[in-house]
Amino acid sequence: GAGVSQSPSNKVTEKGKDVELRCDPISGHTALYWYRQSLGQGLEFLIYFQGNSAPDKSGLPSDRFSAERTGGSVSTLTIQRTQQEDSAVYLCASSLQGAITEAFFGQGTRLTVV
Amino acid sequence: DAKTTQPPSMDCAEGRAANLPCNHSTISGNEYVYWYRQIHSQGPQYIIHGLKNNETNEMASLIITEDRKSSTLILPHATLRDTAVYYCIVRVAEYGNKLVFGAGTILRVKS
Repeated sequence: GAGVSQSPSNKVTEKGKDVELRCDPISGHTALYWYRQSLGQGLEFLIYFQGNSAPDKSGLPSDRFSAERTGGSVSTLTIQRTQQEDSAVYLCASSLQGAITEAFFGQGTRLTVV
Repeated sequence: DAKTTQPPSMDCAEGRAANLPCNHSTISGNEYVYWYRQIHSQGPQYIIHGLKNNETNEMASLIITEDRKSSTLILPHATLRDTAVYYCIVRVAEYGNKLVFGAGTILRVKS
């Protein structure tokens, strides 16, 4: 596709359930980011994939959060045993090289934990 | 990466220039200044970046002071659609360096 695609656009889940959020980056982009944005708050960095390097997981808030990037393309963010405080918009971005090049963002997945 | 300081909010009249300041007094010589914005309910959008020279593109101009300790993003003719949160970020343009956002400035363009 022409841009970063995220799915689903909206997800409602029950507390304690696991969820998977998907990000399809722009083709050829080697860098991929995940961010979280709670209502009325700023963007919280979660994890960063750059090429074949080990991902920067320094922003993951707990061990319930994990992410994979398969084949250097599609990424999945998994949240296990969801809590109400996990409710937020989860944004994915990709960039050509992850350095000076601009990052392109998807429209996000709105996660609501009830 | 160096930290940035931005005013929490600003107002601008429609059609006038919007000048958004950013302080980055601890910026290092190899750190670039980037600007992004986030319009309500959308993902952030890249605007412009620069190292030490002033930059201009179709969206905005970036003015960086000679000592590089501060910069100003200029939207020459603000419209209502420019109402957004504007983020100033400094980062080393190196392979493997992540992009981290601060609190930003809420710009409200008013008619």
